Amino acid sequence: SQTIHQWPATLVQPVGSPLSLECTVEGTSNPNLYWYRQAAGRGLQLLFYSVGIGQISSEVPQNLSASRPQDRQFILSSKKLLLSDSGFYLCAWSTGSTDTQYFGPGTRLTVL
Amino acid sequence: AQSVTQPDIHITVSEGASLELRCNYSYGATPYLFWYVQSPGQGLQLLLKYFSGDTLVQGIKGFEAEFKRSQSSFNLRKPSVHWSDAAEYFCAVGAGTALIFGKGTTLSVSS
Repeated sequence: SQTIHQWPATLVQPVGSPLSLECTVEGTSNPNLYWYRQAAGRGLQLLFYSVGIGQISSEVPQNLSASRPQDRQFILSSKKLLLSDSGFYLCAWSTGSTDTQYFGPGTRLTVL
Repeated sequence: AQSVTQPDIHITVSEGASLELRCNYSYGATPYLFWYVQSPGQGLQLLLKYFSGDTLVQGIKGFEAEFKRSQSSFNLRKPSVHWSDAAEYFCAVGAGTALIFGKGTTLSVSS
């Protein structure tokens, strides 16, 4: 069966520091991968998605970037965090663009 | 533009009472529709989905949803709510590459 992992589970970082969040999927090949951010009362906002290694599409221009160095690994990064980057970050995978998305446990990021 | 509206931000239901969470969508083509549930501090779990066929869809944990094209709605129902159903519920529409989510409805269950 397929499993999706995210780490760390929680992170507290100062403003201006770098960020790296990792997501890995097990039990499937060539998945579509997604990064969402969830802010209180605002639902889920799609940040990036990837249909293959090295293929990244950005939905919202911002302080963040994503990379997919391996088939089942998706990384969310920032060079300098802003206060507004605080939130709950969710990674998800699917087998195709219109298929069900399955979510990881999330990372709670607090920028102070 | 595609969008999902969940009109109720917060609903409180007595344990054992019935539940209906509303979802309206805006999408030009035949929609793929989903309901997810999120417990505090957790990821999202899929409750059910509609792709085509029977407009009444059964999901996990005793939930069901009915797709009504004429009303652009996909309301979630449960005949008898349990205290463990307290969570946040998200409706979503599949729009090309990604899902478009509503802002969620928080369900509280009173004893």
